Amino acid sequence: AQSVTQPDIHITVSEGASLELRCNYSYGATPYLFWYVQSPGQGLQLLLKYFSGDTLVQGIKGFEAEFKRSQSSFNLRKPSVHWSDAAEYFCAVGGATNKLIFGTGTLLAVQP
Amino acid sequence: EAQVTQNPRYLITVTGKKLTVTCSQNMNHEYMSWYRQDPGLGLRQIYYSMNVEVTDKGDVPEGYKVSRKEKRNFPLILESPSPNQTSLYFCASSLWGGGMGTDTEAFFGQGTRLTVV
Repeated sequence: AQSVTQPDIHITVSEGASLELRCNYSYGATPYLFWYVQSPGQGLQLLLKYFSGDTLVQGIKGFEAEFKRSQSSFNLRKPSVHWSDAAEYFCAVGGATNKLIFGTGTLLAVQP
Repeated sequence: EAQVTQNPRYLITVTGKKLTVTCSQNMNHEYMSWYRQDPGLGLRQIYYSMNVEVTDKGDVPEGYKVSRKEKRNFPLILESPSPNQTSLYFCASSLWGGGMGTDTEAFFGQGTRLTVV
């Protein structure tokens, strides 16, 4: 079955520290992979996406993600977190199924 | 500005009282979809539409209806809401009729927080 797992429900980091949010997927075909961010009271904003090619993709707001087929992972990273990055982050997989399959989200808190 | 607009943003209603949540997009997208977001469950697809007059069930369609009479609008209808439909709802659209989650970006509305008492 197609699924996305975000093992960390809640993460707290200090401002200026590096960040890595984990995402593992299960998908039978070639996956299209996405990271979305949801700020409080807002909709979902696309951070970055992977379809093919270079496995390290750059997104908005200084985020990047690396696709590792052997590990079925698509972890999101940022070298230095800002207080404004506090939000909920969703990993999603898509493809031929007419929908995005979302993980359960990781809530990021940023300490001053 | 490209956007997906949902209304209302917040709604409190009583069990059994029919309601409609509207969704409109101004990007001439073919594909539209409704999701609900619940704590610990992420977003789950309710219904989707690949074009005008073409709709299909997603993962959690029970208790919901949709229609797609115009390309830009995709309302979500709850004929007889129940408390287990209390949730945060998102409408989304993307360009290709080939489906969401492919090589096109999906745009999301700001959400409708529904409470059924």
